[in-house]
Amino acid sequence: DTAVSQTPKYLVTQMGNDKSIKCEQNLGHDTMYWYKQDSKKFLKIMFSYNNKELIINETVPNRFSPKSPDKAHLNLHINSLELGDSAVYFCASSQFLGNYGYTFGSGTRLTVV
Amino acid sequence: LAKTTQPISMDSYEGQEVNITCSHNNIATNDYITWYQQFPSQGPRFIIQGYKTKVTNEVASLFIPADRKSSTLSLPRVSLSDTAVYYCLVGPNAGNNRKLIWGLGTSLAVNP
Repeated sequence: DTAVSQTPKYLVTQMGNDKSIKCEQNLGHDTMYWYKQDSKKFLKIMFSYNNKELIINETVPNRFSPKSPDKAHLNLHINSLELGDSAVYFCASSQFLGNYGYTFGSGTRLTVV
Repeated sequence: LAKTTQPISMDSYEGQEVNITCSHNNIATNDYITWYQQFPSQGPRFIIQGYKTKVTNEVASLFIPADRKSSTLSLPRVSLSDTAVYYCLVGPNAGNNRKLIWGLGTSLAVNP
């Protein structure tokens, strides 16, 4: 059983489009996250969700909006995609906020053309 | 903020012990040290976490000196499958993750 699963694995889309990435965890963790890994391999936290509540929101454009229907799901919706949004997006979860024993998904490679 | 410094890359051979050192001079009293491994096209995978002295699990050992300004991840008898990027993270093990900074990591290449 996959602990943290995200779909799709690859996403190619044109500038200006709106897209969503879905994430689900079956670990019973309280907190879920979205990370962005750019072409230089820097990993940057975008959002944390704890018990369906947004806890932090780093300097991320408001075109990005996380949506959590329940504790096991955290989706990422992106409006008006730009070339600079091209990256790998990772979903992760941890037992509680601040616990660094993350479990990551396999990533979604987003390419904006 | 607890910034970390690691070597950009390392080379090793199968069967050798590999030690990757991370510097974190401004580590705070309540900060923990956590190491992750990332293979190409995969998300990072938790390896080990420690606060002081030595921690060992089935995968690796983590050595932390008394001043905690550095830490060393030790991988015993590496194999080709240990070729990956290794990240050192420093931060409090509670509260929000705003201060958690991921560096570029150390790219380890294990040769036959």
